[in-house]
Amino acid sequence: GIQVEQSPPDLILQEGANSTLRCNFSDSVNNLQWFHQNPWGQLINLFYIPSGTKQNGRLSATTVATERYSLLYISSSQTTDSGVYFCAVVFYGNNRLAFGKGNQVVVIP
Amino acid sequence: DSGVTQTPKHLITATGQRVTLRCSPRSGDLSVYWYQQSLDQGLQFLIQYYNGEERAKGNILERFSAQQFPDLHSELNLSSLELGDSALYFCASSREAGEYTGELFFGEGSRLTVL
Repeated sequence: GIQVEQSPPDLILQEGANSTLRCNFSDSVNNLQWFHQNPWGQLINLFYIPSGTKQNGRLSATTVATERYSLLYISSSQTTDSGVYFCAVVFYGNNRLAFGKGNQVVVIP
Repeated sequence: DSGVTQTPKHLITATGQRVTLRCSPRSGDLSVYWYQQSLDQGLQFLIQYYNGEERAKGNILERFSAQQFPDLHSELNLSSLELGDSALYFCASSREAGEYTGELFFGEGSRLTVL
């Protein structure tokens, strides 16, 4: 069935380290977004990236739609990067934003 | 600040009761979406409205209902509440009708606790 899989599920980083989060999806998509849910529960838009590469400060994302995956890069991590990162996609013909289970990231000082 | 406003932020109520959650979309957005986030189910799509009309339905229980008003704000009504309805309820908005090709912006959520 339709699936959005994120890896790794949990990640502990030392402040200053770099990391890569991965999102695999089971079918063609026409929308892909990355969100950060902070410890207070807020869902913050990071990237709208159905294809290609984007950068925003220390974060960047790449989606290779033909190979059905997206990557989120965190460089020089800070404690404020802690939280859960969600990948969400809209599959063609499905018409709803489906979320993965998230990557729980903890950045320790 | 996403521009999507949800009230109340926190709500504690008892089983069997009814509550109403309110959402104001970003200025210019015509579509409103409701999502439920619980510990065991993750983020689940409930329902979408576009310009006052229901556009898509997800895993919404019959005890739940929603509507979008002429001023485009939306309300999610939860009735006969059960312990399992405790969750974070998010509203999101976008400009598109239902093709979901655009970016969705989420409010801060309404945290419901049913005792």
